[in-house]
Parts: sequence; C-alpha cells; structure tokens
Amino acid sequence: AQSVTQLDSHVSVSEGTPVLLRCNYSSSYSPSLFWYVQHPNKGLQLLLKYTSAATLVKGINGFEAEFKKSETSFHLTKPSAHMSDAAEYFCVVSDLGGYQKVTFGIGTKLQVIP
Amino acid sequence: NAGVMQNPRHLVRRRGQEARLRCSPMKGHSHVYWYRQLPEEGLKFMVYLQKENIIDESGMPKERFSAEFPKEGPSILRIQQVVRGDSAAYFCASSTKTGGQETQYFGPGTRLLVL
Repeated sequence: AQSVTQLDSHVSVSEGTPVLLRCNYSSSYSPSLFWYVQHPNKGLQLLLKYTSAATLVKGINGFEAEFKKSETSFHLTKPSAHMSDAAEYFCVVSDLGGYQKVTFGIGTKLQVIP
Repeated sequence: NAGVMQNPRHLVRRRGQEARLRCSPMKGHSHVYWYRQLPEEGLKFMVYLQKENIIDESGMPKERFSAEFPKEGPSILRIQQVVRGDSAAYFCASSTKTGGQETQYFGPGTRLLVL
C-alpha cells in the first residue's frame, strides 16, 4: 500500500522569498515520486520526478526536490518565488511493483504575495 | 506532438442524464488512466486501461460508471444517470508503458457540472 501526506493545505509566501512545500510518503516498494502543478482551471503539469537515481531532483521553473528515505520525505523547494508560481501543487507516489498506480496527495495551494 | 486531449472541457448535465467524457492519449501511448478530482480534494484514481482491456477499475464506483479504450478511437468514461455528487473534474492521463518510473501525462480535464 502507498500513501502521500501533504502537510500544508495552504502556503503563503512573499514574492522573491523561498518556497517550501512539504510531502511525506509511505510505500511498500521503492517508490517513484512526482510533483505536479495545477494552475486554476488547467490540467496538471509535471514539475519533476524521482526514480531512484540522484536524490536531489531538479525540475522546471527553478523547482527542485530532495528524496530523503530516512525521513520518507520529498519536499519541494524554490529559492525565490515568482507571482506565476501561484497554483496548486500535488505530490504523487507510484510503486514500482506491478503496474503503475499512482496516489495523489490532497494538494497544497501556494499563494504568492506581491 | 500533441498532448493528451480531452473533450469536452466543460459539460453540464441534469440529474438522470448521461455524461460521456473522451480522452485521446498522446501519440504512441497505449496506457490510459482516469482520475476524478472532487472540490477541495486531490485526484483519486478511477480506472486504468490498455487498448481493449480494463486492467484495474478498483477506483470506479460500482454502479453507473464505465470506461472503455477501444482499438480505434479515444477512451471513453461514461456516467449514466448522473447525480449532483458526480460534479467534479475528470482527468485523463496516458503513458507509453506501465511501471513505476513511467511518467503519466495529463490532459486538461473535463469539468462536469450536474444541475
């Protein structure tokens, strides 16, 4: 069984300050982990993914995430927030066992204050 | 290479009517997944299909919902006799193959409103 916990439903940051969106997971197998972003009334766009290679993963738009097995975490960070980063972010886990069946976190809404 | 296509983007139905949601996967993708996003909730897995086969429908409600992915044409998610609780955004994703490392690419979603 697998699960994802996004610890914050809402995060608010000022433009130009760092972003931290937290995600913890549980998985029976070696997981793949993803972050997706959803802008209002839009589909989901893949930001980055971890698939057992480097533990620090760099994604699009300056985002990155670090896989920490000991903490079962995959937090998303960005050094400096931009107004266009305001959106909802989903952490996703997928077991390697069997076929791909992903589990989504509940999402974190990021607000960027000018 | 066009992305995953879904239509319609918005669908309004009255209670008791049928809703048909279509998904055309990315070119070369033979695996399709449907998810439902209820207001203020994350995405919930509904069904996983390959061409002409339903692989896993463990997330589908037992009644009124069905899905298919025919040899030719788009995947269809069908909801019969819709109720207000079916109002949600329905997302389709596709991938080239299965396996945990394979990325799913999402369509823009169909937003269903049941009056």
